[in-house]
Amino acid sequence: GENVEQHPSTLSVQEGDSAVIKCTYSDSASNYFPWYKQELGKGPQLIIDIRSNVGEKKDQRIAVTLNKTAKHFSLHITETQPEDSAVYFCAASKGDYKLSFGAGTTVTVRA
Amino acid sequence: NAGVTQTPKFRILKIGQSMTLQCAQDMNHNYMYWYRQDPGMGLKLIYYSVGAGITDKGEVPNGYNVSRSTTEDFPLRLELAAPSQTSVYFCASNPGGWYGYTFGSGTRLTVV
Repeated sequence: GENVEQHPSTLSVQEGDSAVIKCTYSDSASNYFPWYKQELGKGPQLIIDIRSNVGEKKDQRIAVTLNKTAKHFSLHITETQPEDSAVYFCAASKGDYKLSFGAGTTVTVRA
Repeated sequence: NAGVTQTPKFRILKIGQSMTLQCAQDMNHNYMYWYRQDPGMGLKLIYYSVGAGITDKGEVPNGYNVSRSTTEDFPLRLELAAPSQTSVYFCASNPGGWYGYTFGSGTRLTVV
């Protein structure tokens, strides 16, 4: 099955700085790459996603980039704020509706 | 609009006991999923369903069973609970295709 690796496992940034999380996937047939944010005690929530026919997508302070050749995709958060502190998961799908998740990155934004 | 509702939120089971984790969605989504989340391991797919009456195994199905008699409900059954099933369980749904999942708030299960 699909194997998704996510780095780093923890990330601490100063408020206002940028945060970058990187994921690699193993199956070149994967074509859908969502990112989820999980706050303490809650279920994961979709924050942004990208499809394989797009190289980059941006939504306010969040952006995702995809490199199909290298089989990796990244989440970029700019101007980080305390409410960005959470666990972030990347995922990949081959279009069979099943998502394979990375292990997660715990982001802490220091005031 | 409640989204995906999971019950119970917390449960402690003794080894060998059985229980059913409930999941209901009110978005008329055809696709539903059960994941378990272990610390540092991400989410692993247990079972999924592409519509009423259709279920299939995911990555870690052993020790679990599911049914899908209606579009709305997708219960997960644990038979003969084992300590290895201590985890947080999430139910999710989506309309299919390239759409993200909507997750429930989870059930934290401890088997002692």
